[in-house]
Amino acid sequence: EAQLVESGGGFVQPGGSLRLSCAASGFTFSTSWMTWIRQAPGRGLEWVATIKEHGSDKWYADSVKGRFTISRDNAKTSLYLQMDSLRVEDTAVYFCARHWVSAFDLWGQGTLVTVSS
Amino acid sequence: DIVMTQTPLSSPVTLGQPASISCRSSQSLVYSDGNIYLSWLQQRPGQPPRLLIYRVSNRFPGVPDRFSGSGAGTDFTLKISRVEAEDAGVYYCMQTTQFPNTFGQGTKLEIK
Repeated sequence: EAQLVESGGGFVQPGGSLRLSCAASGFTFSTSWMTWIRQAPGRGLEWVATIKEHGSDKWYADSVKGRFTISRDNAKTSLYLQMDSLRVEDTAVYFCARHWVSAFDLWGQGTLVTVSS
Repeated sequence: DIVMTQTPLSSPVTLGQPASISCRSSQSLVYSDGNIYLSWLQQRPGQPPRLLIYRVSNRFPGVPDRFSGSGAGTDFTLKISRVEAEDAGVYYCMQTTQFPNTFGQGTKLEIK
């Protein structure tokens, strides 16, 4: 069964850093585009970043550009999000999701990131 | 950026009755390959989103046939033919035609 499991969330002060991981299993990770999407408490969904199969191309939301870095390790079937210079407004549940026919067909349960002083 | 606007933002529906959610994009969602990358997601409380419809009108495997999607150009619709209790939640349209990918604000479906 295909599955995505996020980890690495937690509590951090403004200006701090966190690295999120997303472990994939049950499908051919190396042929899938992958994306991070976040959801602030009580709010809607916000696309954060996308990476192509081999990591050659990446796209970022303006709100995180220059602060967040998406990466992947196909040998470890894992997706990552390095988050630096965190702000209070980055507080959210972060989901990783798989692309399928340019839609997001598989989602993890999410990991909560709380940025607060 | 493409802005996705959903209406209504909240929809109380009686069990067994139909429901409809509209989604309008601020510009055409037709990609260079001729496809429209508009999808619909359902999010139940405490759960991650779930894909219902992709490329406007294609039902994702396992999604009940009471769900249907339609539309063209900049106007799209999700319809539920007969609402069931398990359909309660928030529904999002989203476009992946261009970056940044963008979502509608969400429509909360409440079952009466």
